[in-house]
Amino acid sequence: GEDVEQSLFLSVREGDSSVINCTYTDSSSTYLYWYKQEPGAGLQLLTYIFSNMDMKQDQRLTVLLNKKDKHLSLRIADTQTGDSAIYFCADTAYSGAGSYQLTFGKGTKLSVIP
Amino acid sequence: DTEVTQTPKHLVMGMTNKKSLKCEQHMGHRAMYWYKQKAKKPPELMFVYSYEKLSINESVPSRFSPECPNSSLLNLHLHALQPEDSALYLCASSLGSGTETYEQYFGPGTRLTVT
Repeated sequence: GEDVEQSLFLSVREGDSSVINCTYTDSSSTYLYWYKQEPGAGLQLLTYIFSNMDMKQDQRLTVLLNKKDKHLSLRIADTQTGDSAIYFCADTAYSGAGSYQLTFGKGTKLSVIP
Repeated sequence: DTEVTQTPKHLVMGMTNKKSLKCEQHMGHRAMYWYKQKAKKPPELMFVYSYEKLSINESVPSRFSPECPNSSLLNLHLHALQPEDSALYLCASSLGSGTETYEQYFGPGTRLTVT
């Protein structure tokens, strides 16, 4: 089945850039997502990218997609303490009966040092 | 408005209790989902409702019983749970479930503790 891999931890200093990486196995993936989860909260959709794009920028967030290597990254510019959270990469997989579902990576815990 | 609401925020129940979790959205979404999330793990899909019909049941034990009374509401009825069922239960919705373009929006979750 589909597999999505992420490194588990990342620590950066406030004001630096953070880069969170993700790899996936499904070559037919057309949409990939980044979600943020703060402690004790639900998941917040941050951004997504369509597979015919190499890059998508949204304010401090930049998503890079290398479809050949099945590698996705999320760059957060000028990282703030409020960015401390767990970041999940997610792929969509066909689950049968005309439905698609999300396959999540294990999540990367980003710690921002003041 | 991209809000999914869930009640209660916290729930403590004994193994013989019956309780329900509620989820609501008013975005006109026709697909709704229940996920279970254990600490330090990604969410695991439990159920998918599409147009108020159960379309996916990921081999969830019968002590969890979902219900979709209308397109805006989703319930999860709990009965005779085990301590290992303690987790964060997340509800999500999307415009539909039949295409990869439909991003899912999550509620804040219900923190369930089974004693």
